[in-house]
Amino acid sequence: GAGVSQSPRYKVAKRGQDVALRCDPISGHVSLFWYQQALGQGPEFLTYFQNEAQLDKSGLPSDRFFAERPEGSVSTLKIQRTQQEDSAVYLCASSPGRVETQYFGPGTRLLVL
Amino acid sequence: GQQLNQSPQSMFIQEGEDVSMNCTSSSIFNTWLWYKQDPGEGPVLLIALYKAGELTSNGRLTAQFGITRKDSFLNISASIPSDVGIYFCAGQNPQGGSEKLVFGKGTKLTVNP
Repeated sequence: GAGVSQSPRYKVAKRGQDVALRCDPISGHVSLFWYQQALGQGPEFLTYFQNEAQLDKSGLPSDRFFAERPEGSVSTLKIQRTQQEDSAVYLCASSPGRVETQYFGPGTRLLVL
Repeated sequence: GQQLNQSPQSMFIQEGEDVSMNCTSSSIFNTWLWYKQDPGEGPVLLIALYKAGELTSNGRLTAQFGITRKDSFLNISASIPSDVGIYFCAGQNPQGGSEKLVFGKGTKLTVNP
């Protein structure tokens, strides 16, 4: 079956532009997570959803970052007025239920110039 | 953000050698996980540990959940070239209310044939 998919795989943005990153979780998975991975570092938690409810957004670095999952399936991570420090790989993961294995997508590599 | 202390940062070994890496935390986790990440891909789960003192194997991989719940190690026996990649430990405390994973900075493994 299909795994977690993310689009685009690569995004180059000029500083100040808004970007939207999409995550398609594995069908039927209840929980969806976003992580940010800087070069040479481990993934860092941003936010997660259980169905359409955003249960924890404590990792979002600023109010320029916003995530939504309106129908409890596809999720979008939006970054407004991008800055160079936003350059990173953004990973999405989904899990079948609470406290179950998180399956990661390939990530979106964002470069802000 | 919080990251676990993972060592070593990198390892260069000969094919056939055994490998050991470990992870420590200043706080307790109720679940420890080990992931492997290949270039351009998301992390893939190798082993999950749910109980203090637990020792679990997956083929040539063995991992242990420390008694104090503040550490874990991963061993790889008889390494092969396809073991090359970055290995991450991750802790989880769902009882704390969030399912987020806290990752280490990774151990980059190079295997010389």
